[in-house]
Amino acid sequence: QKEVEQNSGPLSVPEGAIASLNCTYSDRGSQSFFWYRQYSGKSPELIMSIYSNGDKEDGRFTAQLNKASQYVSLLIRDSQPSDSATYLCAVLGGSSWGKFQFGAGTQVVVTP
Amino acid sequence: GAVVSQHPSRVICKSGTSVKIECRSLDFQATTMFWYRQFPKKSLMLMATSNEGSKATYEQGVEKDKFLINHASLTLSTLTVTSAHPEDSSFYICSATGTPDYEQYFGPGTRLTVT
Repeated sequence: QKEVEQNSGPLSVPEGAIASLNCTYSDRGSQSFFWYRQYSGKSPELIMSIYSNGDKEDGRFTAQLNKASQYVSLLIRDSQPSDSATYLCAVLGGSSWGKFQFGAGTQVVVTP
Repeated sequence: GAVVSQHPSRVICKSGTSVKIECRSLDFQATTMFWYRQFPKKSLMLMATSNEGSKATYEQGVEKDKFLINHASLTLSTLTVTSAHPEDSSFYICSATGTPDYEQYFGPGTRLTVT
């Protein structure tokens, strides 16, 4: 079982719609959670970090964390073609303290 | 957010030569730096974790004598690919974090091509 799991996609989203990305993790001791966006041929860019259960909003992005269910999600509202990228979920803490565990990423394609 | 630079952005070298890649945190002190490689359409693969002033911790399967890592200061880490071969061609990305519990910021990456 992978430590951090994401659907690989591609997730096709019409422009203006909401993109919903999911991530589950296996280490119950994990404490910090991050979403990164990676454009093709580029390095990852931090979008959101979340540490507590509940929702965290930043502009068009909302991260949701549920530690009991070991689940973290990312919502992208009013999706734009520029949001087309691969989104990586990263988890920190627990048995891998100090070392990030990355999911394989979900490819999002926003269609005009 | 914090800024991490990486140099060079692209390098082409001949088989058997060595290549050094620099990673710098520009506006914060990086207690820990990470080195990743990424093949096309694949996920990030952690190569090693580097703490300032101490030896790097390499992931299983990564040859420490081939991929030399030096973390000389709180703002600079270097990765040297020694005796490079075509199979070492990849996208190498560094990242840095200020504390063990904070965000990890990535450099722009170095695309290495070994001919």
